[in-house]
Amino acid sequence: SSELTQDPAVSVALGQTVRITCQGDSLRSYYASWYQQKPGQAPVLVIYGKNNRPSGIPDRFSGSSSGNTASLTITGAQAEDEADYYCNSRDSSGNHLELFGGGTKLTVL
Amino acid sequence: QVQLVQSGAEVKKPGASVKVSCKASGYTFTSYDINWVRQATGQGLEWMGWMNPNSGNTGYAQKFQGRVTMTRNTSISTAYMELSSLRSEDTAVYYCARGDSSEIDYWGQGTLVTVSS
Repeated sequence: SSELTQDPAVSVALGQTVRITCQGDSLRSYYASWYQQKPGQAPVLVIYGKNNRPSGIPDRFSGSSSGNTASLTITGAQAEDEADYYCNSRDSSGNHLELFGGGTKLTVL
Repeated sequence: QVQLVQSGAEVKKPGASVKVSCKASGYTFTSYDINWVRQATGQGLEWMGWMNPNSGNTGYAQKFQGRVTMTRNTSISTAYMELSSLRSEDTAVYYCARGDSSEIDYWGQGTLVTVSS
C-alpha cells in the first residue's frame, strides 16, 4: 500500500503530553519525517530519522516507530505548538517516490 | 544558511502552463535533490516529484506524469517545475523542498498558482 494515514485532529491541554501517529506499510522499511505547519507558512521539519531534531527544534518534540506506525510526541505542549503536523516517508516500492500523510490538526487547549 | 527562494504568484487560464522557479543558496546545489510539493487551500501536502540537480534525473508521482516537467540550471543554482494543461483543481501553493536519501529538510516559501478563466 502507498498511503500514510493520520488522525485528522487531536487536542491536548496546555503542558500535557500528546502523541500524533502515522500508519503505513512504508514505515516498516523507512523512518518517518515529521513537519509542523502553521497557517500561511511553509512546513518546518521537526523530527527525522530514528529520533533526530534539526537545530532549533525544542527537545519536547520526539519521534518513535514500531512496525507500521510512527509517532510524534510532544511532551509539555505549548500554545505555540498548535499547528498542522504531517508525516512523510519514502514509498517502499523502490521507485524513489515520497508519501505524505493527510495531516493532523493539533489544538492546544 | 540554506535558503530556497521561489518565484512570485501566478494567475493562469485553464489549459495554460506555469513554470515555477526555486533558487537555492547556502549549500552545494548539486548535492541534494529538489522535491516539489503542492497544497490546495485547506488541504494537505501532495508530493509531485523529485529531481537530482547533478544528473538531471527525475521521478514524478503517477498523478502528474505527462503534465509535469522538472528541470534545473546548475550555473545559477535554480530548479524549475513546469505544469501544463492547467485546470482549476491545480490552484494551490507549490513548494520546492531540498531532500537527501533520508529526509526532506528545507522548504521554499511557496508560490501560489491560481487557475481561473
